[in-house]
Amino acid sequence: GENVEQHPSTLSVQEGDSAVIKCTYSDSASNYFPWYKQELGKRPQLIIDIRSNVGEKKDQRIAVTLNKTAKHFSLHITETQPEDSAVYFCAASNSDSGYSTLTFGKGTMLLVSP
Amino acid sequence: IAGITQAPTSQILAAGRRMTLRCTQDMRHNAMYWYRQDLGLGLRLIHYSNTAGTTGKGEVPDGYSVSRANTDDFPLTLASAVPSQTSVYFCASSDGGIIYTFGSGTRLTVV
Repeated sequence: GENVEQHPSTLSVQEGDSAVIKCTYSDSASNYFPWYKQELGKRPQLIIDIRSNVGEKKDQRIAVTLNKTAKHFSLHITETQPEDSAVYFCAASNSDSGYSTLTFGKGTMLLVSP
Repeated sequence: IAGITQAPTSQILAAGRRMTLRCTQDMRHNAMYWYRQDLGLGLRLIHYSNTAGTTGKGEVPDGYSVSRANTDDFPLTLASAVPSQTSVYFCASSDGGIIYTFGSGTRLTVV
């Protein structure tokens, strides 16, 4: 089955700095890669996703890049703000197989200091 | 308001007791999932259901069972709880197996 590795496990930045979280996956058939944000005591919520037919996707201060050859993808947050502090999870699945399950990384705790 | 409802919000359970965590969605999503979240281990899939009447095992299914009698409900049962099942449990659903909507979670403590 799929295995998703996520680094770093914790990341501390100053407000206004950029943050990068990296993930690798093992199954070359995976073609859908979402990122979820989980604030303390809350449910995970989708913030951005990317499919294998594109290499980069942006949404305001958030971007995701994908390298299918190397089987890794990354989340980039620019101009970080204290409200970006949360746990971020990457995930992977094969969306072509009809219904498939997401395999999650272990998460990255991002702390943005004012 | 459309979404997923989980109950109870939290529970303290004596080891050896039986417990059912409830999950109901009103979005008519075909697929539903149960994950457990443990510090440092992320979200691990317990069981899933692609459509009503079918279920499948995830990464950590031992000690848990599920049923999917209809589209909306997907209960998770612990037949005989053990302390290692202390965790936060999230139910999720999706329409087509891609974008997941998560419930608010159940915090379970087995003592």
